[in-house]
Amino acid sequence: DAKTTQPNSMESNEEEPVHLPCNHSTISGTDYIHWYRQLPSQGPEYVIHGLTSNVNNRMASLAIAEDRKSSTLILHRATLRDAAVYYCILRDRDDKIIFGKGTRLHILP
Amino acid sequence: EPEVTQTPSHQVTQMGQEVILRCVPISNHLYFYWYRQILGQKVEFLVSFYNNEISEKSEIFDDQFSVERPDGSNFTLKIRSTKLEDSAMYFCASSEVSTQFFGPGTRLTVL
Repeated sequence: DAKTTQPNSMESNEEEPVHLPCNHSTISGTDYIHWYRQLPSQGPEYVIHGLTSNVNNRMASLAIAEDRKSSTLILHRATLRDAAVYYCILRDRDDKIIFGKGTRLHILP
Repeated sequence: EPEVTQTPSHQVTQMGQEVILRCVPISNHLYFYWYRQILGQKVEFLVSFYNNEISEKSEIFDDQFSVERPDGSNFTLKIRSTKLEDSAMYFCASSEVSTQFFGPGTRLTVL
């Protein structure tokens, strides 16, 4: 599986937008970019995914670079409840998820 | 909103004992998974299950482990002869196609 690189941790103020970066320079043409998050003491939770075009849903937006070698998860207005570990994952098949270390997002009140 | 449920939330067992972790996937899902997360470490894939058989398993999933779908709703993970290093959070997940939905996990403590 192609590898992703994310910062270990990030901080953001409550009610401000958060941009979580992910590098995936070895992405293949069939890899989808998925984001999951894990709130404290909970199981992982699906956030969003995309292939080439930017995507929006009720939780977040996903901005994908034109060359697909990087992407950014955007939380438009962070709340304390968004404090979690965010995982950027490449998947070319609908099978197992390989989790990395992710980015631990801290939200400051 | 439908969700994956897991029981028990916390299981304490003695080394060498057998444990069964239970999961109820979302009802129309066809693909089932078990993952584990040792404290402070990454979430690790254990096994995937489709059409009443294992479709893929990791190196962690050795003969000590087995999975079963005993009826139309439950999906179980059995760990025989537990070891101290089996202490972890165990997450069940299910999917209809691509997006996996995870349960809240069972914390297994082996003493």
